Amino acid sequence: SQQGEEDPQALSIQEGENATMNCSYKTSINNLQWYRQNSGRGLVHLILIRSNEREKHSGRLRVTLDTSKKSSSLLITASRAADTASYFCATGPTGANNLFFGTGTRLTVIP
Amino acid sequence: EADIYQTPRYLVIGTGKKITLECSQTMGHDKMYWYQQDPGMELHLIHYSYGVNSTEKGDLSSESTVSRIRTEHFPLTLESARPSHTSQYLCASSAAGTGNEKLFFGSGTQLSVL
Repeated sequence: SQQGEEDPQALSIQEGENATMNCSYKTSINNLQWYRQNSGRGLVHLILIRSNEREKHSGRLRVTLDTSKKSSSLLITASRAADTASYFCATGPTGANNLFFGTGTRLTVIP
Repeated sequence: EADIYQTPRYLVIGTGKKITLECSQTMGHDKMYWYQQDPGMELHLIHYSYGVNSTEKGDLSSESTVSRIRTEHFPLTLESARPSHTSQYLCASSAAGTGNEKLFFGSGTQLSVL
């Protein structure tokens, strides 16, 4: 399966700390995207990184992509209680039009 | 804020009922998708459409059907609901492009079949 695998499955940190979650995938990709999902809601797009990019920033988010290792990481700096959610990576495989979602990391930020 | 809407938000029905989950978007997106997600699990693509009168089955086999008569509307129908259909159903859309564009999601429909 092309679906990504996030690691860790769950992460609990104190407010103000940084949170890092990782995603691994199996085949070559056009891009990799990260989404956030609050409990029982739809997903919200956070950031997209293309296969020819190595790092991208958006506010407190930093995403890296290593295509040789087929892996990506999402760093949330100075976390807030409002960051509590599940985070999913989604890969866009080369030659495919659809996205494949990983299993998600459930982040809890303790005030 | 994404302009994609799903109704109902919650639905509890008995086995054997026919149901339709509604999804509409006002962004003029050509591509629309239905995902199924069990609690704490990954999303599975069950249907997608790249335009009017175009529908395809996704990676996860589903007994549901979809239609795309209008660009903005992509309803999902279950002819005879069963407890195994209990899940969250998420609708999404994306702009036309070379593929793998970012998705805009609705808030989801939580379906419970008793």
